[in-house]
Amino acid sequence: GENVEQHPSTLSVQEGDSAVIKCTYSDSASNYFPWYKQELGKRPQLIIDIRSNVGEKKDQRIAVTLNKTAKHFSLHITETQPEDSAVYFCAAKRGPAATDKLIFGTGTRLQVFP
Amino acid sequence: EAQVTQNPRYLITVTGKKLTVTCSQNMNHEYMSWYRQDPGLGLRQIYYSMNVEVTDKGDVPEGYKVSRKEKRNFPLILESPSPNQTSLYFCASSPSGGNTGELFFGEGSRLTVL
Repeated sequence: GENVEQHPSTLSVQEGDSAVIKCTYSDSASNYFPWYKQELGKRPQLIIDIRSNVGEKKDQRIAVTLNKTAKHFSLHITETQPEDSAVYFCAAKRGPAATDKLIFGTGTRLQVFP
Repeated sequence: EAQVTQNPRYLITVTGKKLTVTCSQNMNHEYMSWYRQDPGLGLRQIYYSMNVEVTDKGDVPEGYKVSRKEKRNFPLILESPSPNQTSLYFCASSPSGGNTGELFFGEGSRLTVL
């Protein structure tokens, strides 16, 4: 069945450094790739998403890149800050509608040390 | 305030004692879903509902039941809980006609089955 692999499972960086989280998906029909951030003890929240007709999308310090040929996509966080510490989940689905099944990766715990 | 509300937030119970985790959303969303979050496994879908009286199994439905009698409510029922259902549970909703597919999560319900 469809699955999404996410690496690394944990990532520690110094404040100000960059962090990169990578995901690989198996369903070649996937066209929509959201990223969710879950702070400690909180609910997951959407932080950024990308669709297959776009190779890169940026929002301030975060960016996502997509390589459809290789079936992988990545989250890039620049100038990391302690408040970036959280668990990040990538996900993939065939379209943005709720009727399209969303497959989550297993999560990456990012720790940013001051 | 737009939100998804789950209750209880924390529950310790014993094997075999039926319990219900309630979920309510005030955003008039058609789509609702239940996930469980376990370390190293990410978010796995238990059941989902496209609309009132329409429910379907997700990836890990065994041992769970749901109902969708009203648009706003989507309770998760554990008829005979077992220790392997100890987990963190999230309810989520989304507008089926939305063009982002963003899931709005509740705050989570941490369940321990002894």
